[in-house]
Amino acid sequence: KAGVTQTPRYLIKTRGQQVTLSCSPISGHRSVSWYQQTPGQGLQFLFEYFSETQRNKGNFPGRFSGRQFSNSRSEMNVSTLELGDSALYLCASSLGGPELETQYFGPGTRLLVL
Amino acid sequence: QQQVKQSPQSLIVQKGGISIINCAYENTAFDYFPWYQQFPGKGPALLIAIRPDVSEKKEGRFTISFNKSAKQFSLHIMDSQPGDSATYFCAATGAGGYQKVTFGIGTKLQVIP
Repeated sequence: KAGVTQTPRYLIKTRGQQVTLSCSPISGHRSVSWYQQTPGQGLQFLFEYFSETQRNKGNFPGRFSGRQFSNSRSEMNVSTLELGDSALYLCASSLGGPELETQYFGPGTRLLVL
Repeated sequence: QQQVKQSPQSLIVQKGGISIINCAYENTAFDYFPWYQQFPGKGPALLIAIRPDVSEKKEGRFTISFNKSAKQFSLHIMDSQPGDSATYFCAATGAGGYQKVTFGIGTKLQVIP
């Protein structure tokens, strides 16, 4: 079974631009969560999508948004990029049910904002 | 506000030694405590996990100790090997769904020969 894939793996943008990152979950997984990883803050939860609906949300500004498609693939968008948005963005997928289960992480997209 | 506090942030251990990483949490609604291992260029991968009704869980060289009253838990890596060199994250979840994971800051472990 293929793992979680994220594209692109690396991105360089300038302040004020916007960016879209993509995540393809493991086949059969309906939940996709997004995390931001930085050296100073560690891994922080952005949001989770399940069946095309945002089900959970972290404490990030509205510049960070996402969506999920009917095939469970998810995209994350960051508008009006700031230098502090430079980070590794990770997505994780799981079945999404109420029972305890493991999340599987992708390799991440490294975003550099200049 | 960091809901899961992790220490130390870096650790150097000699091969064959014991690596110990400590974590503390605040939210008593958490009911599942996983540890993740991350190698450079890779996403985190689940290493071992525990629920608060158990005080200790062992899988091979990895052991989690859990103290519910103190709201603390720790990871012990016995007979540490150079291949264990990675960043380790403690985490907590269950408050608001298992898909929302709160992570500690991470510990960069280096095992030297």
